Amino acid sequence: EPEVTQTPSHQVTQMGQEVILRCVPISNHLYFYWYRQILGQKVEFLVSFYNNEISEKSEIFDDQFSVERPDGSNFTLKIRSTKLEDSAMYFCASNIRGTAYEQYFGPGTRLTVT
Amino acid sequence: QKEVEQDPGPLSVPEGAIVSLNCTYSNSAFQYFMWYRQYSRKGPELLMYTYSSGNKEDGRFTAQVDKSSKYISLFIRDSQPSDSATYLCAMSADTGRRALTFGSGTRLQVQP
Repeated sequence: EPEVTQTPSHQVTQMGQEVILRCVPISNHLYFYWYRQILGQKVEFLVSFYNNEISEKSEIFDDQFSVERPDGSNFTLKIRSTKLEDSAMYFCASNIRGTAYEQYFGPGTRLTVT
Repeated sequence: QKEVEQDPGPLSVPEGAIVSLNCTYSNSAFQYFMWYRQYSRKGPELLMYTYSSGNKEDGRFTAQVDKSSKYISLFIRDSQPSDSATYLCAMSADTGRRALTFGSGTRLQVQP
């Protein structure tokens, strides 16, 4: 069964550094999402992306964040200058129709900012 | 008032029990209701979704939505130790928005 994959599984970085989290969505999916989950807290929506454009973003997704589909298979989340409070699990999700339902999540990347 | 509230548990039941997991919400615009299962340090796995009010059944799982009470439930029949996980409810408004609003999750432990 096709799955969303994410790399790396764990990233440790120093405050102020740039990080890029990578996702390979399910191959025939057209809509892509990033969510994050700070330890012990809820999963929170960051951004949705379709046709090489951001279609929706939350208040969390400020100028420090950017997303890109650099090629036909990858979808990336860049954090320009990481802060301690960016430490979280970051989940990529995708679906075919861009609906709220049937979003399929990857295993996540655990980002630790020191 | 939080937009989506969910009892964090843990909820501990014996194998074979019927489990009831619940969420309440405050945003009357929510129309899509999802249940995800999350094992430790893994991504959320979609179990079921329903649109608006009513019931939906899939194997041992039944999802119920009561929009008048702003209350949703997930029932698990004949629970198994492999059902031990955190169960997340998630919701979205029917306005073309795709962002999911999650509950905090209920941790379920099914004892063999």
